[in-house]
Amino acid sequence: DTAVSQTPKYLVTQMGNDKSIKCEQNLGHDTMYWYKQDSKKFLKIMFSYNNKELIINETVPNRFSPKSPDKAHLNLHINSLELGDSAVYFCASSQAGGFPEAFFGQGTRLTVV
Amino acid sequence: AQKVTQAQTEISVVEKEDVTLDCVYETRDTTYYLFWYKQPPSGELVFLIRRNSFDEQNEISGRYSWNFQKSTSSFNFTITASQVVDSAVYFCALTPNSGGYQKVTFGTGTKLQVIP
Repeated sequence: DTAVSQTPKYLVTQMGNDKSIKCEQNLGHDTMYWYKQDSKKFLKIMFSYNNKELIINETVPNRFSPKSPDKAHLNLHINSLELGDSAVYFCASSQAGGFPEAFFGQGTRLTVV
Repeated sequence: AQKVTQAQTEISVVEKEDVTLDCVYETRDTTYYLFWYKQPPSGELVFLIRRNSFDEQNEISGRYSWNFQKSTSSFNFTITASQVVDSAVYFCALTPNSGGYQKVTFGTGTKLQVIP
């Protein structure tokens, strides 16, 4: 079983659309994250979330919003997609407390046309 | 502000050669964590190691070894007897001890190509 799974793996959509990427972890972790990797492979954290706290990277546009229906899921909603949103988005999870290993999903390649 | 520099953009080695990937960091925090991740061509990110700033001991795991030197703010990664399966992009990352993963800063990555 995949520890952190994201769907879809590839997403092609037109500018202005609204889309969601789903993430599920079966590790029983408390904290989940979304990262963005741009075309130059630069990785940047977007959000971290546990059942108590959502921490948002201040540089993330408010068109991006995480939604967590339960502890095992953290979905990423993107409104009014723009060309610059094209990137690979990674979901990750870790146990709270200390600095345990963070497990990453396989990534979702979003292409906005 | 914190910064991670991986000056080597791409490295090519012939199989069985040793290779060292450099990582230099900047931080004002007195305690912090350093990480290495591997991103193979398939795209997923694989955790390799976490190092606490308190612990300057070098670590070896099979063909992998890490050299942490606080005096030079470096956390270098050496692969001994490289193999084709080592071909990947390797990321060094840093986060303050108090910040959690939400304050992690990644380097720009070093693409390693191991030629058979």
